[in-house]
Amino acid sequence: NAGVTQTPKFQVLKTGQSMTLQCAQDMNHEYMSWYRQDPGMGLRLIHYSVGAGITDQGEVPNGYNVSRSTTEDFPLRLLSAAPSQTSVYFCASRERGGVADTQYFGPGTRLTVL
Amino acid sequence: KQEVTQIPAALSVPEGENLVLNCSFTDSAIYNLQWFRQDPGKGLTSLLLIQSSQREQTSGRLNASLDKSSGRSTLYIAASQPGDSATYLCAVLTGGSYIPTFGRGTSLIVHP
Repeated sequence: NAGVTQTPKFQVLKTGQSMTLQCAQDMNHEYMSWYRQDPGMGLRLIHYSVGAGITDQGEVPNGYNVSRSTTEDFPLRLLSAAPSQTSVYFCASRERGGVADTQYFGPGTRLTVL
Repeated sequence: KQEVTQIPAALSVPEGENLVLNCSFTDSAIYNLQWFRQDPGKGLTSLLLIQSSQREQTSGRLNASLDKSSGRSTLYIAASQPGDSATYLCAVLTGGSYIPTFGRGTSLIVHP
């Protein structure tokens, strides 16, 4: 199993550009989520999904869009990039809501918005 | 709303010391608590998961305990090594929630 994969690893955007961060998992996990990590702020939840076709907002959803058309993929779209979106983005997955279900993380995407 | 606090925020110790990292949470109605390790520039790696019905979990030199009634978990690292240098985060999955709540982590440096 590849686990949770994210592409690209690094990205530089100009203000106003749009892009999609890709996330895929091959563990047949129902739950997937996107976080951003900023110095001094910890991990903050952007959006999450509990199954194909079901998504919901997290703590900091503004400026981001998600969809979940398949169990495997959970892309994160930046609609119009702003310097405040400069961050490291992590995708995570979990089998479902069981008490023994471990959460797995991807390696992250480091995004800089100029 | 669940709040998770990790103390201390940073810790520097000499090699060989036994050390304790703390995680506290405000809502004791939890499903599980998970400890992660994050190396600089990398993703998070799961170390241990304690279910709500368990008191502790062990993996090698790591031992994590859970006291739901007091809203606390500790991660004990025995005989610390420079390779243990990393940031350690705890995440609490609360009843009725889909996604865990994370603490801000403890940055650990073990110097030779």
